[in-house]
Amino acid sequence: DVKVTQSSRYLVKRTGEKVFLECVQDMDHENMFWYRQDPGLGLRLIYFSYDVKMKEKGDIPEGYSVSREKKERFSLILESASTNQTSMYLCASSTRTSWGSYNEQFFGPGTRLTVL
Amino acid sequence: AQSVAQPEDQVNVAEGNPLTVKCTYSVSGNPYLFWYVQYPNRGLQFLLKYITGDNLVKGSYGFEAEFNKSQTSFHLKKPSALVSDSALYFCAVRAGFNTDKLIFGTGTRLQVFP
Repeated sequence: DVKVTQSSRYLVKRTGEKVFLECVQDMDHENMFWYRQDPGLGLRLIYFSYDVKMKEKGDIPEGYSVSREKKERFSLILESASTNQTSMYLCASSTRTSWGSYNEQFFGPGTRLTVL
Repeated sequence: AQSVAQPEDQVNVAEGNPLTVKCTYSVSGNPYLFWYVQYPNRGLQFLLKYITGDNLVKGSYGFEAEFNKSQTSFHLKKPSALVSDSALYFCAVRAGFNTDKLIFGTGTRLQVFP
């Protein structure tokens, strides 16, 4: 079974702190994703990485950065946390699409971040 | 631009009755469509996908979805609902022809009453 793990289930931080959210997958997937989930807004993509050191902005990258130094690990960084970044953060991974197929994303359990 | 819409925030159904969770899509080109489920305090789990082929797609936990090109819909169905099916359901579409990104709907909460 694919396993995607996230470093914390719950996290409470202060405004202005630098926050690191870690995600690790154990299936050698090329792709990794960071989403935030908010009620009524569904999942919104923050950043996407398709290979080590490669990244692509998603729909809402402002206030976030990412790091992928190893294939299995994808970190989301909040440079200076703000209260509007209070949310559920979900990490996912998948294999790279090949012609005529598309492989589903596998999700971690999520990190509920509260910024006070 | 690709998009999906889930017109219902919540669906209520009695246990044993059939259930339908609605999803419509807007894409250029052939749609790649997905359903995911999120149980309380859990991450999303993949249920099923439509890439090509039969319009009726069968997935996990007895769920199926019907792809309807003329109505641009991909509704999730189950013949007999269980209380344990109560969860948040997300429809998603591939974001473009040459990308592995997905665009998710806003989610529909399914409540199955005993």
